[in-house]
Amino acid sequence: AQKITQTQPGMFVQEKEAVTLDCTYDTSDQSYGLFWYKQPSSGEMIFLIYQGSYDEQNATEGRYSLNFQKARKSANLVISASQLGDSAMYFCAMRDQRGGAQKLVFGQGTRLTINP
Amino acid sequence: DAGITQSPRHKVTETGTPVTLRCHQTENHRYMYWYRQDPGHGLRLIHYSYGVKDTDKGEVSDGYSVSRSKTEDFLLTLESATSSQTSVYFCAISDSDFNQPQHFGDGTRLSIL
Repeated sequence: AQKITQTQPGMFVQEKEAVTLDCTYDTSDQSYGLFWYKQPSSGEMIFLIYQGSYDEQNATEGRYSLNFQKARKSANLVISASQLGDSAMYFCAMRDQRGGAQKLVFGQGTRLTINP
Repeated sequence: DAGITQSPRHKVTETGTPVTLRCHQTENHRYMYWYRQDPGHGLRLIHYSYGVKDTDKGEVSDGYSVSRSKTEDFLLTLESATSSQTSVYFCAISDSDFNQPQHFGDGTRLSIL
C-alpha cells in the first residue's frame, strides 16, 4: 500500500526565511505523482505543486519548489522568502492510479507558522 | 477557481439520522471524490466516481454510500449517522489527465451529536 509520511507536526519560521517541509513516501509503483496542497485557516485546499516520478527536473512554481530525491523516496517542499500569508497546514499527497481514478493518499500534514 | 460547490457547508444532526451531502461541479470533469479530514489523519478517501453511475470504495467507505446520476452531481449519504462520522468532508474533481491536480470544494463541516 502507498504511504506518505510528514514527520514535522509543526514548524515556526521567521518571515523572509526559506523553509523546507519534509515528505517521504512509500510505493512499489514505478509511475506515480506527488502533490503538495496548502490549507489556510479558512479551510480550503489549495494546490501548490506537482512532481511526476519520471520528471527529470525538480518542479518549481513561483516561490515553491520541490526537492525530489527519488532514490531516497522524498519530495520535500521548499518555500523561498516566506511571507506571513504562508502560515497554514501543508499536505503532501501521492497519486494512487490503481483502478484508473486519480486517488490521493495524504500525509498527516505540517502546520507552518511564519513569525514577523 | 474550479467550479465546485458543496452543500450544506455546515450541518449538525443527531446519531441515527440519515444525512446526504451534495457536491456539484460545473467543469464537466470525469472523476469525483469524497474525502474526510480528521485531526492527525490528513484527508482520507471515502468513495470516488469515474463516470455516471460508476463508483467505487476508498480507504474508509464503511457507513457511507454514494450516487452519481449526472456528471455534475456526486452525493454522499450517511444512512445512519454515528458520532465517529463527525468530520470535515471534502469533495474533489479531476479530469482524465493524471498529471493535473485534483481541485477541492470548500468542505462541509458535519457534527453528529
